[in-house]
Amino acid sequence: SQTIHQWPATLVQPVGSPLSLECTVEGTSNPNLYWYRQAAGRGLQLLFYSVGIGQISSEVPQNLSASRPQDRQFILSSKKLLLSDSGFYLCAWRAPHGTGKPTQYFGPGTRLLVL
Amino acid sequence: EDQVTQSPEALRLQEGESSSLNCSYTVSGLRGLFWYRQDPGKGPEFLFTLYSAGEEKEKERLKATLTKKESFLHITAPKPEDSATYLCAVQAINFGNEKLTFGTGTRLTIIP
Repeated sequence: SQTIHQWPATLVQPVGSPLSLECTVEGTSNPNLYWYRQAAGRGLQLLFYSVGIGQISSEVPQNLSASRPQDRQFILSSKKLLLSDSGFYLCAWRAPHGTGKPTQYFGPGTRLLVL
Repeated sequence: EDQVTQSPEALRLQEGESSSLNCSYTVSGLRGLFWYRQDPGKGPEFLFTLYSAGEEKEKERLKATLTKKESFLHITAPKPEDSATYLCAVQAINFGNEKLTFGTGTRLTIIP
């Protein structure tokens, strides 16, 4: 069965510091991978998605970036955090295109607090 | 632009009191409608995917239904462990579209 991991679980960072959040998926090959942010009282917002190694699409322009160095690894980064970057960050995966399986499955999330 | 509206925002039920949660949506061609359950501080847990109007799916005390404009999540004889936020999301049929549009959820509390 497939498993998705995220770390760290919780992070407190000062404004202006860098950020690196990691997501890995086990039990599947060539998954589509996603980064979402969930702010209090708001729906999940898609930030980035990737259909393969080195292929990143951005949905929302901001000071965050994403990378996919390996098939089942997805990283969310920032060079300088803003207060508005605080939130709950969720990684998700789905089966690749052509499988007829559009359902996305989410990881446990990372709570980020920027002070 | 795709839109999802969930109602009510919050619902408190006595244990055993059945009810329904609503998800109204606007999408330019529906690829799928998804229901998730989210516990506090955790990632959403997948419940159901519905693809076309008239489709129904069941899991334990939950039943999801779909029309061309809305979906309902029916909960029958709920137990306290069913307390959670229930999220609805849609995906449009656009080539290369990967985006799920989420509602803000219904926070369900089941009182023993």
